[in-house]
Amino acid sequence: NAGVTQTPKFRILKIGQSMTLQCTQDMNHNYMYWYRQDPGMGLKLIYYSVGAGITDKGEVPNGYNVSRSTTEDFPLRLELAAPSQTSVYFCASSSVRDSSGNTIYFGEGSWLTVV
Amino acid sequence: GDSVTQMEGPVTLSEEAFLTINCTYTATGYPSLFWYVQYPGEGLQLLLKATKADDKGSNKGFEATYRKETTSFHLEKGSVQVSDSAVYFCALNFNKFYFGSGTKLNVKP
Repeated sequence: NAGVTQTPKFRILKIGQSMTLQCTQDMNHNYMYWYRQDPGMGLKLIYYSVGAGITDKGEVPNGYNVSRSTTEDFPLRLELAAPSQTSVYFCASSSVRDSSGNTIYFGEGSWLTVV
Repeated sequence: GDSVTQMEGPVTLSEEAFLTINCTYTATGYPSLFWYVQYPGEGLQLLLKATKADDKGSNKGFEATYRKETTSFHLEKGSVQVSDSAVYFCALNFNKFYFGSGTKLNVKP
């Protein structure tokens, strides 16, 4: 019953540091996503992947990188942390769209503060 | 391109009041439509969905009907409770998910 698991749940970074947010799903989903949610705001898509080896930019990709070497894992890398990257990050996954209307499943979120 | 527009919040209601949160969409094809709910400090959870025109999704007293003619998927509940206080997101899926900006609901006792 794991679903989408992301780590860490909380992290404080100093400006200029790097880190990777880990995300893994056990539902054999093709599609995976990274969103950020700023306080009181909606979701903004950072990057997404339609399958292993394939990634694409979303609305706000600058300052981030992703990779998708396996179906299960979709890590998000912050290379040079900036205060503007203080946010809550959600990883999500979904299957290929089918007639029943596939659902997107979210992880519990990672709260990141850059100081 | 595809997009979702939902009414801005916050929406403040008294317990047992009727709730409507409006959602309209733009899509090039025939998407599936969803409502997700986010409780404080948590991730998004699926509330209900509809996959084709005139379908009605329902769950926990909430309902929404897929209206192709008006490109809408409004969320309704006949009698809200304090425990319904959360942020509600409308979304569509047609090869990729698109989310609305979210509507915060506050229910007062």
